[in-house]
Amino acid sequence: DTAVSQTPKYLVTQMGNDKSIKCEQNLGHDTMYWYKQDSKKFLKIMFSYNNKELIINETVPNRFSPKSPDKAHLNLHINSLELGDSAVYFCASSQVDGRRYFGPGTRLTVT
Amino acid sequence: AQTVTQSQPEMSVQEAETVTLSCTYDTSESNYYLFWYKQPPSRQMILVIRQEAYKQQNATENRFSVNFQKAAKSFSLKISDSQLGDTAMYFCAFMKSGSGNTGKLIFGQGTTLQVKP
Repeated sequence: DTAVSQTPKYLVTQMGNDKSIKCEQNLGHDTMYWYKQDSKKFLKIMFSYNNKELIINETVPNRFSPKSPDKAHLNLHINSLELGDSAVYFCASSQVDGRRYFGPGTRLTVT
Repeated sequence: AQTVTQSQPEMSVQEAETVTLSCTYDTSESNYYLFWYKQPPSRQMILVIRQEAYKQQNATENRFSVNFQKAAKSFSLKISDSQLGDTAMYFCAFMKSGSGNTGKLIFGQGTTLQVKP
């Protein structure tokens, strides 16, 4: 059984397009996250939701909008994609003790 | 603000030997968690080990153990009997715990470990 799943795993698109990445967890966790891993492998938090409520919103361009329809889902929509948005995006969920469970990642390539 | 530093960008070890990855962090918090995550070439992020700051005993998980030095703000990972499957990028991470905790996990820059046959 997949604990945290993301779709798609690969996304290639052109500048200016709008795209979404979906994430679902079946672990029953209340908190979900989006992380960005850049070309140097540096991981940085973008957003976190706790039971559908936005908790963390780092300094991310407002072209990025998370949406949590329920506590098992956290989707990421990106408007007007730019070259610098190319990265791997990870969804994760966590227990109260901080253990984070990551999805397989979505490699976004903007051309 | 908390920071996590991994000063070794790359390391290598012979299969079956022991290797230690270094991590230091900076915080004024007294309650927190520390983690090591592994990212193999498949890019899946996998939790290796977790340490609670209030516990003096070092965490262990099979061949993986940590040396947690709270006063020195050091949290190194020791991998014993290294296996080819341990080849991966290893990330040290910090998370504040207790009241006011937002769950924000702060990662170090990562250390690429190659296990050689």
